[in-house]
Amino acid sequence: DVKVTQSSRYLVKRTGEKVFLECVQDMDHENMFWYRQDPGLGLRLIYFSYDVKMKEKGDIPEGYSVSREKKERFSLILESASTNQTSMYLCASSPPGLLGRETQYFGPGTRLLVL
Amino acid sequence: QQQVKQSPQSLIVQKGGIPIINCAYENTAFDYFPWYQQFPGKGPALLIAIRPDVSEKKEGRFTISFNKSAKQFSLHIMDSQPGDSATYFCAASKERFGAGTRLTVKP
Repeated sequence: DVKVTQSSRYLVKRTGEKVFLECVQDMDHENMFWYRQDPGLGLRLIYFSYDVKMKEKGDIPEGYSVSREKKERFSLILESASTNQTSMYLCASSPPGLLGRETQYFGPGTRLLVL
Repeated sequence: QQQVKQSPQSLIVQKGGIPIINCAYENTAFDYFPWYQQFPGKGPALLIAIRPDVSEKKEGRFTISFNKSAKQFSLHIMDSQPGDSATYFCAASKERFGAGTRLTVKP
């Protein structure tokens, strides 16, 4: 079974703090993704990575950055957290290639509250 | 921009009923239409998916109906059970998700 783990289930941070969300997958997947999930908006893609040290912007990259130093780990960074970044953050991974991206395996999510 | 429109936002049915969730997309280049199921406290998990070269796909009690000309597709859950209570997301292509439908199946 594919396992995608996220470092925290719940996080509370203050405005202006730098926040790191970590994601690890154990299936040797090339593709990894970060989404945020908000009521009424569904899942929106923030960034994705198709290889180590590679990254691509998704639909809402503003205020976020990512790091992929190792294949199994994909980090989402909020450089200066703001209250409008309060959300559920979901990490996903998938096998390589365009067809591989069709089946994504999600982690349990990190619920972030920015005060 | 919402490229995939999903309705309804929430749905309540009795056990044994057939909830139907609808999605519409805009981009005719989309070629893959999955549905994900999410239980509270969990990430979404792939439930069933269809490609535009077929009009229907069935897996167990779950059926996708696809209308290419109308750019619409829907999920039907036959003989729904309380254990089907979850949030369902449609998606188009790979990373375009609908807003989600919270389904409650009452015993």
